[in-house]
Amino acid sequence: QSALTQPASVSGAPGQSITISCTGTNSDVGGYNYVSWYQQHPGKAPKLLIYGVSNRPSGISNRFSGSKSGNTASLTISGLQAEDEADYYCSSYRSFNTLLFGTGTAVTVL
Amino acid sequence: VQLVESGGGLVQPGRSLRLSCAASGFTFDDYAMNWVRQAPGKGLEWIGYIYENGNTYYNPSLKSRFSISVDMSKTQFSLQVNSVTAADTAVYYCARRGGFHGLDVWGLGTTVTVSS
Repeated sequence: QSALTQPASVSGAPGQSITISCTGTNSDVGGYNYVSWYQQHPGKAPKLLIYGVSNRPSGISNRFSGSKSGNTASLTISGLQAEDEADYYCSSYRSFNTLLFGTGTAVTVL
Repeated sequence: VQLVESGGGLVQPGRSLRLSCAASGFTFDDYAMNWVRQAPGKGLEWIGYIYENGNTYYNPSLKSRFSISVDMSKTQFSLQVNSVTAADTAVYYCARRGGFHGLDVWGLGTTVTVSS
């Protein structure tokens, strides 16, 4: 498996909530609580939103939340805002000291 | 706390390239330092990381053309890529690994273009 599986795109209206899924295997997402989520605006570096499945770094809005069930992790963005329009990537620690990114999801605010 | 990459530019196919990442506001002693790349219009790809003890780990999907090292001052680390091809054209980011394997500090990236 070369990448975790994410939907290519998700959209929602301002104020709504959306959820992005990230599906892996027992060797990565399902085997460890080391899932992270990143936001990337065009031409910018990625920014850490969530680490350790559900922890937010200092300064990250509580509109972003993470969870995991089995081999699938999820990022929920509540109260969708125009500034949330960006690409989102998950990542997971994988066996033997490696890291795996997701395929990426483009979020559109309608 | 900041990371700044350097060394990008135009590289001919088959040549080697060396990228550097300088840290300010912290030293590498307590962190695993990563390289991540992103080809034009594509997703993020983890290349590898180096631990404070010098141990390195690489993406098994990539061939062994990549090498990460850290300088003695532990404020700068490097990525060498040998025998580059057009597929190595990308923005290369360095990133610090924080808690629970999250990459919490990223550089702005340096662009590498492989072309004759």
